[in-house]
Amino acid sequence: GAVVSQHPSRVICKSGTSVKIECRSLDFQATTMFWYRQFPKKSLMLMATSNEGSKATYEQGVEKDKFLINHASLTLSTLTVTSAHPEDSSFYICSASMPGRAYEQYFGPGTRLTVT
Amino acid sequence: AQSVTQPDIHITVSEGASLELRCNYSYGATPYLFWYVQSPGQGLQLLLKYFSGDTLVQGIKGFEAEFKRSQSSFNLRKPSVHWSDAAEYFCAVGADGNKLVFGAGTILRVKS
Repeated sequence: GAVVSQHPSRVICKSGTSVKIECRSLDFQATTMFWYRQFPKKSLMLMATSNEGSKATYEQGVEKDKFLINHASLTLSTLTVTSAHPEDSSFYICSASMPGRAYEQYFGPGTRLTVT
Repeated sequence: AQSVTQPDIHITVSEGASLELRCNYSYGATPYLFWYVQSPGQGLQLLLKYFSGDTLVQGIKGFEAEFKRSQSSFNLRKPSVHWSDAAEYFCAVGADGNKLVFGAGTILRVKS
């Protein structure tokens, strides 16, 4: 149980284009989803927290207009990297938590984004 | 603010040897503590968690961790390491807003 998927697992896009990453909770309803960014040989940096049906809360220093997050249903959140640049290349990981289960996050397998 | 320190960036142990990965946290109240494992190019898998109660916590894959309030530590242990345990391990503490704050991670190498 508590499986989270991400799609795509890898994506290569050209500079200036936008790319969308999906995060799905497959067997539970996720009231809250989190988006992280992981640089090579670094820890996870929380980008934003999204609650179903409301606007995402972005961490300090994360550009909300560049990283658009939508949490339209209890099983799906999307991260859209707009006007991507090579410095946006990274490993993006989402996680999801269940109602009433504070801090218990279940992580997706991650998406490797490469911007050329 | 909450923070997590994992002092060891890399650790190498022989297969069959015991393992201890260190984690120190900074948090005013009783913390919620976690250990996750990440294989290369993969997401994170929860090994174990501590919320309250018994300070020795058992997890999956034969791992355990001990919460020591006096030392602000939550070290991860395994009595006998297998080659498949080679991965990166992250300690995390629960923060405001149901967030997790992660340490920098410790890369475990297992030599045969």
